[in-house]
Order: sequence, then structure tokens, then C-alpha cells
Amino acid sequence: GQNIDQPTEMTATEGAIVQINCTYQTSGFNGLFWYQQHAGEAPTFLSYNVLDGLEEKGRFSSFLSRSKGYSYLLLKELQMKDSASYLCAVRDSNYQLIWGAGTKLIIKP
Amino acid sequence: ETGVTQTPRHLVMGMTNKKSLKCEQHLGHNAMYWYKQSAKKPLELMFVYNFKEQTENNSVPSRFSPECPNSSHLFLHLHTLQPEDSALYLCASSPDTSGEAYEQYFGPGTRLTVT
Repeated sequence: GQNIDQPTEMTATEGAIVQINCTYQTSGFNGLFWYQQHAGEAPTFLSYNVLDGLEEKGRFSSFLSRSKGYSYLLLKELQMKDSASYLCAVRDSNYQLIWGAGTKLIIKP
Repeated sequence: ETGVTQTPRHLVMGMTNKKSLKCEQHLGHNAMYWYKQSAKKPLELMFVYNFKEQTENNSVPSRFSPECPNSSHLFLHLHTLQPEDSALYLCASSPDTSGEAYEQYFGPGTRLTVT
């Protein structure tokens, strides 16, 4: 079966760096997405990786290793507004998105 | 604002009621999706429409009935629901279903409670 694993919850301190990991086992691979979802709000797109390596976008970076079935989202200079759930999703060979359960990130002052 | 709106935002219904959820996208996209989001579970894809044609139905019970009259509007008709159907129902859209780099744009969801 298809599976996406990510930690359920993480806690970090304002101003620090946090890495959220995602491992996947899917039928084929056509890209990996990270979304941010604040409580009670819509998921919003953060990043997309289809080739191995690091994609940087401001304070957020996303890394992919296809051979290891692994990705991480790196958040730098954490702010209180970064408290949210972070969803990892992989597009499989049928172009369907397979979703992880999300990682709830709690930022403490 | 993602360009995708959903109404109502909250809905409480009894198991014998019939209600409908509405989604509208203002992005000119051709694909629209219904997802179910339950606490601490992955998003569950329910239905996919591409150019108004249903392309996916992920073994969803018949008490959920989708309707897509045009590429901008999507409905989810609900009848004789069960308490376990209580969840956040999210609508999303994308330019189409096959583009590799196309992310999906989500609406804010309808929080459904079945009593």
C-alpha cells in the first residue's frame, strides 16, 4: 500500500530552526508537496520538489531524496505565526496526491 | 484568500436531514476536488472532477453525492449521514489533474457535525 509518515507533533522555540521529516512509500513518484495549515483554515501551498536536492524559499527550505523516499521541510528564524500543521503529500504514478497526517508544530516564546 | 470559497463554514445536521455543501473557485481552473479531513488522519480524497467530468470516486458511500455543473462550481449533496461522517470537508482546485507541478488551492472548508 501507499504510505506517508511524518511526526505527529513537534515543539520549537521562537527564533530557532526546526526540521520536519517526511518518508514515503508510493506507487510511482511525480513530485512531493508541502502545505501549511493553520487551525480552522485552508491548507496553503509551501513548496514542491521533483528532483533531488534543496529548494529554498525565504525562511523555508525543502529537501528531497528520491532514492531514500525522504523529504524534509526546514523552517528558520521561527516566528509565532509559524505555529500550524505541516502536511506532506506525494503525487503518485496516477497523479493522485497521497497525504500524510500532518505534523503539528508548536512554537514557544 | 486562496480564490476558493466554501459555504456554509459550519453545518450541524441530523442523520435524517438532507443538506448540500457548495464550493466556488475564481481561478479559472478546470479540476476540482472534494476531500474529507478528520482529526489526526491524512486528507482523504473523495471525488475529482476535470473539465466537469468525474474522474475519481474513491469508494465513497452513496450518501455523499457530488455535482459539478461547470468548472467553477462543485457541490456535495449529503443525505442520511452517520456520526462518523463528522469532519472538515475541503474543496480544492487546480489547473487540471495531470500537470506535474500543479499545486492545489484549497477552500477554508465546511466543519460538518452529524448528530
